[in-house]
Amino acid sequence: DAGVIQSPRHEVTEMGQEVTLRCKPISGHNSLFWYRQTMMRGLELLIYFNNNVPIDDSGMPEDRFSAKMPNASFSTLKIQPSEPRDSAVYFCASSLLTGDLYNEQFFGPGTRLTVL
Amino acid sequence: GQQLNQSPQSMFIQEGEDVSMNCTSSSIFNTWLWYKQDPGEGPVLLIALYKAGELTSNGRLTAQFGITRKDSFLNISASIPSDVGIYFCAGPGSNYQLIWGAGTKLIIKP
Repeated sequence: DAGVIQSPRHEVTEMGQEVTLRCKPISGHNSLFWYRQTMMRGLELLIYFNNNVPIDDSGMPEDRFSAKMPNASFSTLKIQPSEPRDSAVYFCASSLLTGDLYNEQFFGPGTRLTVL
Repeated sequence: GQQLNQSPQSMFIQEGEDVSMNCTSSSIFNTWLWYKQDPGEGPVLLIALYKAGELTSNGRLTAQFGITRKDSFLNISASIPSDVGIYFCAGPGSNYQLIWGAGTKLIIKP
């Protein structure tokens, strides 16, 4: 299996521009998580989907952030308009939730976003 | 809400030394997880602990689930350069989410 695939790996953009991050989860997994990692705040969960449905988006910073999962093999995280404080590494992770207390999350390599 | 406190924040060690780090919580966890993040990559699961008092090894790594269920420890024996990275503890929160510690950064002196 190829693992979780994220694109692009690096993105540099100017303040005010729209940014779209993409994720392909592991085939067969039914849950997808978007995280943001910064030095100051560590690893933060932004939103997670189960069976393509958003379950908890309480971590999404503000209305400038939106996420979609149109099908089981693709998700996007969009920032519009972007601001310098959005600069971070954004990770996508997927998991096969089976009703157990815990199911391993598999992370992608991340997208390093720099907003100038 | 639930929080995990990891210590130390960072460690500078010599190659060959043993490493110890821990994670504590004010509330009980039924599962403790240890992930490692290599530079430029996403976190990868190292060890999962499911039972209070459990001691589990993965090569040179050994992790323990504290008896109180409020703490966990990770030890690395005879560290090597590829051990460099950030080690995270995590535990299940509500709705299948994970609660993450802030991480312990391991740096090996040349």
